[in-house]
Amino acid sequence: GAGVSQSPSNKVTEKGKDVELRCDPISGHTALYWYRQSLGQGLEFLIYFQGNSAPDKSGLPSDRFSAERTGGSVSTLTIQRTQQEDSAVYLCASSWGLSYTGELFFGEGSRLTVL
Amino acid sequence: GNSVTQMEGPVTLSEEAFLTINCTYTATGYPSLFWYVQYPGEGLQLLLKATKADDKGSNKGFEATYRKETTSFHLEKGSVQVSDSAVYFCALRDSGAGSYQLTFGKGTKLSVIP
Repeated sequence: GAGVSQSPSNKVTEKGKDVELRCDPISGHTALYWYRQSLGQGLEFLIYFQGNSAPDKSGLPSDRFSAERTGGSVSTLTIQRTQQEDSAVYLCASSWGLSYTGELFFGEGSRLTVL
Repeated sequence: GNSVTQMEGPVTLSEEAFLTINCTYTATGYPSLFWYVQYPGEGLQLLLKATKADDKGSNKGFEATYRKETTSFHLEKGSVQVSDSAVYFCALRDSGAGSYQLTFGKGTKLSVIP
């Protein structure tokens, strides 16, 4: 596609429910990243994919968070048993793998509100 | 570890004023440096970048110079416009193997009033 696409753009859920957030990267981009943007906290790195593998899962905040990528393209971030502190904007980005420029292309984010 | 510190906001300026947003960093290797901008209701987009010491990145009238001696990458613009109102993020990507992600500062919200 023309840009990184994320869905849903907004999600309101009740505490304890599971949610899935989807990211469709730019066609041909082999690297995909998930970040979390919380008010006043900047951007927090969650996980990185190169192809379908995730060599760095160190940023996932707890075992309730998981992510997968299939076919080297679409990725899904799953949050189980959501808590109120999970409320944030979840950003996805993609790039040309280990590009020396390091530029990431971002989607518009999925805003998650946990009641 | 790596970190980025940028000046706290919000910053409010009148149109045509001079803008400086300070950014300093710590990195274990030799990083590339970036400024990203997030306009209201939009995703982050790259504003400018610099990959080695003394490089100057520039775009849309904004400039930033990679200063290795002071570990800084301050963003400047000589005359801001209302359309520059946005949140600005300083970021780095380190040079070591496995340094795939960008490390961001907390962002500085800029409001430009007519």
